[in-house]
Amino acid sequence: AQSVTQLDSHVSVSEGTPVLLRCNYSSSYSPSLFWYVQHPNKGLQLLLKYTSAATLVKGINGFEAEFKKSETSFHLTKPSAHMSDAAEYFCVSNTGFQKLVFGTGTRLLVSP
Amino acid sequence: DTGVSQDPRHKITKRGQNVTFRCDPISEHNRLYWYRQTLGQGPEFLTYFQNEAQLEKSRLLSDRFSAERPKGSFSTLEIQRTEQGDSAMYLCASSKIPYSGSSYNEQFFGPGTRLTVL
Repeated sequence: AQSVTQLDSHVSVSEGTPVLLRCNYSSSYSPSLFWYVQHPNKGLQLLLKYTSAATLVKGINGFEAEFKKSETSFHLTKPSAHMSDAAEYFCVSNTGFQKLVFGTGTRLLVSP
Repeated sequence: DTGVSQDPRHKITKRGQNVTFRCDPISEHNRLYWYRQTLGQGPEFLTYFQNEAQLEKSRLLSDRFSAERPKGSFSTLEIQRTEQGDSAMYLCASSKIPYSGSSYNEQFFGPGTRLTVL
């Protein structure tokens, strides 16, 4: 079965410093992987998706993620954090049958 | 606003009561999904529709839960005889059917309905 593991429940950074949110996946075949962001009182929003085209995926708001098959990882990065990035981030896989499988989430805290 | 909408946004009920939630998807989207998110966890898939047909149901969807999409547009999720363990955020999402050669089309999520069972 497909699953994703988010390695950190909370990540704290200062504004202007880099962001790294870690995600490992397990799958018996090449998965489709995504990162979603959830701001309080707002719906989940797709940040970026990997669907086996390019291993480095660029998303919205300056985020990007790199698919590394050898490490079974799909970490989310951003060079410089902004206060508005504070939110819950979910690493997600797709079973191929339209059912999304979510990780447990990483709460990103950004301090001034 | 042409996004996915859900109603109500919050529902407080007493154990044993029935509740019904509504989801209005993006108008041209054929697929509609329900997920449940408990505190501190990621959303978990419950069920999905393609047009009016319910194509998959999770084992999480006990017989107290029923979902419908009668005309292939809006959907309702009903929980009968609510239990405290049903307290959660119920999320709806919609998408287009993937085109040939693709296994995925982006799911757009609504803001959710937060259910509290006392």
